[in-house]
Amino acid sequence: SQQGEEDPQALSIQEGENATMNCSYKTSINNLQWYRQNSGRGLVHLILIRSNEREKHSGRLRVTLDTSKKSSSLLITASRAADTASYFCATSHYGGSQGNLIFGKGTKLSVKP
Amino acid sequence: DVKVTQSSRYLVKRTGEKVFLECVQDMDHENMFWYRQDPGLGLRLIYFSYDVKMKEKGDIPEGYSVSREKKERFSLILESASTNQTSMYLCASSLRATWTSGGKTQYFGPGTRLLVL
Repeated sequence: SQQGEEDPQALSIQEGENATMNCSYKTSINNLQWYRQNSGRGLVHLILIRSNEREKHSGRLRVTLDTSKKSSSLLITASRAADTASYFCATSHYGGSQGNLIFGKGTKLSVKP
Repeated sequence: DVKVTQSSRYLVKRTGEKVFLECVQDMDHENMFWYRQDPGLGLRLIYFSYDVKMKEKGDIPEGYSVSREKKERFSLILESASTNQTSMYLCASSLRATWTSGGKTQYFGPGTRLLVL
């Protein structure tokens, strides 16, 4: 399976701390995306990083991509209780059919106030 | 703002019933997708469509069919619902992918939680 894998499966931190989630994948990608899902809701796109990029920032989010290790990380700085959610990485692979994304199983982040 | 809507948030059906889940997007996206989400299994692609009347099977199409008669609307049909189809169903849409840029950002609806008794 090409499915990405997030690590850790669950993460619990205090408000104000940084949260780091990792994603590994198996075959070459043309981009990697991170999504967030609040409990019982749909997913919301956070950030997209292309295969020729190494780092990208958006507000308190920082995403890195290491194509040699086939891995990415999502860092949320100065976390807030409202960041409590599940976070998914999704990969777009060369030769993939018509723009499918392959989603990982997610990291469940709990930020305690 | 892209809006993807799904016909129901919660649905309870009996085994053997025919179930229709409808998804509508308002951004003129070419691609539309149906996923199911189960604890511990993540999102799994059931079917997707890259144009009107065009469809492709995803990872788990068995027991499902789809219909895309209009660009903005993508329906998922459970021909004869079974208890193992109890799940959260998520619809998404995106612009058409390109070879160089790959899959585009997907916009998701709020989900339909289906319970089959």
